[in-house]
Amino acid sequence: KQEVTQIPAALSVPEGENLVLNCSFTDSAIYNLQWFRQDPGKGLTSLLLIQSSQREQTSGRLNASLDKSSGRSTLYIAASQPGDSATYLCAVRPETSGSRLTFGEGTQLTVNP
Amino acid sequence: NAGVTQTPKFRVLKTGQSMTLLCAQDMNHEYMYWYRQDPGMGLRLIHYSVGEGTTAKGEVPDGYNVSRLKKQNFLLGLESAAPSQTSVYFCASRNGGGTEAFFGQGTRLTVV
Repeated sequence: KQEVTQIPAALSVPEGENLVLNCSFTDSAIYNLQWFRQDPGKGLTSLLLIQSSQREQTSGRLNASLDKSSGRSTLYIAASQPGDSATYLCAVRPETSGSRLTFGEGTQLTVNP
Repeated sequence: NAGVTQTPKFRVLKTGQSMTLLCAQDMNHEYMYWYRQDPGMGLRLIHYSVGEGTTAKGEVPDGYNVSRLKKQNFLLGLESAAPSQTSVYFCASRNGGGTEAFFGQGTRLTVV
């Protein structure tokens, strides 16, 4: 059974700092990996989608990498801002079942002004 | 664009009551999903559908039923609500292949 772990569970940084969020998964047979952002009391907003054949994806100040063989992904946030404060979730879609996403429990990020 | 819309956004039920949560997507997506999110347990898949007229069980299907009579709608039903079903429910959809999933804003359900 696929398990997804996100470390750390919570992170507090001063504004302007570059930071890395980690996601690991136990079964490397994945179709793709998706990073989401969730604001308190809100739904999930898709940030980046990495296919299993890709090594990284970039969107603005965000860069996500994927090392499928070692079961790891990182989300790099450059020059963090208070508006980046949210919970960040990663989710993997396995090759076998093809449909469902398995989620980590998320990293709660606070960027202090 | 509306994207994925969930109705209602909030609801309080008494134990034993029934209700239906509606998810509507306007992106012509094939796949639709219902998840529940609980503190300390993350998001867990309840049921999903790979196309109109199809449904399948997810990780935690007990106590729930679903229907996908129209491609754009995915209904989640609770026949006899229990306090253990107090949660935030999210609907998601995506197209085929390696496409990204889009989520609704959630339904906060409390069963007393």
